[in-house]
Order: sequence, then structure tokens, then C-alpha cells
Amino acid sequence: QKEVEQDPGPLSVPEGAIVSLNCTYSNSAFQYFMWYRQYSRKGPELLMYTYSSGNKEDGRFTAQVDKSSKYISLFIRDSQPSDSATYLCAMSALITGGGNKLTFGTGTQLKVEL
Amino acid sequence: GAVVSQHPSWVICKSGTSVKIECRSLDFQATTMFWYRQFPKQSLMLMATSNEGSKATYEQGVEKDKFLINHASLTLSTLTVTSAHPEDSSFYICSAQRYQGARNIQYFGAGTRLSVL
Repeated sequence: QKEVEQDPGPLSVPEGAIVSLNCTYSNSAFQYFMWYRQYSRKGPELLMYTYSSGNKEDGRFTAQVDKSSKYISLFIRDSQPSDSATYLCAMSALITGGGNKLTFGTGTQLKVEL
Repeated sequence: GAVVSQHPSWVICKSGTSVKIECRSLDFQATTMFWYRQFPKQSLMLMATSNEGSKATYEQGVEKDKFLINHASLTLSTLTVTSAHPEDSSFYICSAQRYQGARNIQYFGAGTRLSVL
């Protein structure tokens, strides 16, 4: 079983739709949760960073974390064609010193159509 | 702020040659950088953690002698793929870690596409 599970899609929605992207995880040590957006042949771009359970909103994006269920979500409101990309969830454990290693989901490919 | 530059963006080489990829944090210092490998339509797989002034920490299954990592300064880490073979063809991405707002955040380069003939 993978530590982080994410539906690879592809997910196709009409412009203006609300998009829901999800990840589940099995490692209870994960404390930090991120969502990255990756356009084709580019590096990932950080969208959201959360630590505690609950919701965090930034513009059209809302990140939701439920640690009790080991489940995280990213909602995109009023989706635009420019949102078409692969969305990766990532998470890390709390460690002291050194770097915080990230474990990524497989990514969900999203296409927003006109 | 928090820009990471990766060079080259695409390289084609012959089998048996070595290729060096550079990762630079342009507007911040990064004591820790990471190197990932990504196959088509798959997620990022961590290869190694690069620490300034010390040896890199490699993930299980990654050959240290094949993927040489050097983190000579607080803004530069390099990955050298030695004696490259076609199976090394992949998309390599680096990230630089920045401590901000009591969080460690990784900022990624644009990636390097390596094609070994």
C-alpha cells in the first residue's frame, strides 16, 4: 500500500465548475500538507500549505485537512481553462534538523474545458 | 521571491557520457536541496537530499556512484548522472528548501529532461 493515494484522473470539468481533488494517506506521522500545481514539463508550484485540521482558503482555492480520517482535499471554485494542470498532494512528517522530506501523491490531471 | 533556477532544461547525450544538472536558488539561501525523478504521468520520486557542506543522503535504491550530488554553496547544488544509459532518461527536478513563517517550504525548479541515446 502506498503511503499517499491520489486518483490520477484524468478529470474533465466545464469552465466555472467547482473541482474537488482528494488524497488519502496512511502514515500518522504526516503533519504538514501541501498542494502543488504542475503544468506539463514544468516543475511543481506551491498552491496551498496547511498544518492543522480544518479549512484554509486562498482566493479560489480551499484546502481541507481531516487528520482523523487521514484525508485531504483541494477545492477550486469557478474553475478556469488556465487551471488545467496536474495537481499533486504532498505531505511531510515533523522532523528536527535537516530537510523536511515530502511524499507526493501520483497527481490528478485536471482539464477545464470551455 | 523564492525562485529556483534549473539548468539545462533539456539535454540529449550519448550512452556512456556524463551529464551535469545545476540547481540554483536565486533569491534565498538554501542549506537543503532535494533531487527528484519523475517518469511520464507518475509522481515525483525523491532521489536524494543535498545538504550544503556535507554528503548527500540518498534514498533506498538510488546508486550513489551513478548520481553524484554536490552542494558546494548555499545557492547551488549539482546532480551529475555518470555513464548515462537509456534507462536513465527521465525528468529530473530539484527543489530548494526555504524556512519562512515557521515552515520549511520547498520551491521547485522547472526540471531537466534527459534523453540518453
